[in-house]
Amino acid sequence: GDSVTQMEGPVTLSEEAFLTINCTYTATGYPSLFWYVQYPGEGLQLLLKATKADDKGSNKGFEATYRKETTSFHLEKGSVQVSDSAVYFCALSGGPLFSGGYNKLIFGAGTRLAVHP
Amino acid sequence: NAGVTQTPKFRVLKTGQSMTLLCAQDMNHEYMYWYRQDPGMGLRLIHYSVGEGTTAKGEVPDGYNVSRLKKQNFLLGLESAAPSQTSVYFCASTSEGHNEQFFGPGTRLTVL
Repeated sequence: GDSVTQMEGPVTLSEEAFLTINCTYTATGYPSLFWYVQYPGEGLQLLLKATKADDKGSNKGFEATYRKETTSFHLEKGSVQVSDSAVYFCALSGGPLFSGGYNKLIFGAGTRLAVHP
Repeated sequence: NAGVTQTPKFRVLKTGQSMTLLCAQDMNHEYMYWYRQDPGMGLRLIHYSVGEGTTAKGEVPDGYNVSRLKKQNFLLGLESAAPSQTSVYFCASTSEGHNEQFFGPGTRLTVL
């Protein structure tokens, strides 16, 4: 079945360091891919998404490129800030979008990022 | 717009007690979902609904029931709580033709 695998955390970085969080997936068909972020005590927020191969999603300095050949969607940021400390979830949309479907999301286990000054 | 709201935010139950978690959304979304979040396991789908009056089982439905009597509300019930149901529960919604889900702030449930 469809699945998402993320690198285990926690990831601990100093402010202004480069961030990479690896995400690979297994899916039939052509899923959409997402990164969600969960700040302490809050629900999940969509950070960025990509809907087809070679698309690059970007938001708030974060980027991820949909690589079909390597089935990957790695999250990167050039210079992290303390405010980026959160849990990051990679996810794929494995269900049909239209009538009869339910837009199912499949999540990775999450990667906790801690950024210190 | 309030988006997706959940009540209560926290709850402690004893084994065997029952409770209902309420999710409400004001975005006129057709699809609604209940997930549970456990350490190291990401989010797992409990039940979902594709419209008012419809519900379906997700990945981990055992021990839970749901109802969607109104389009804007999705209720999650635990008839006889067990310690294994200690978790953080998230509700989400989305509209047909879109795959981005909008999440509520979560309910932290502890079953003793």
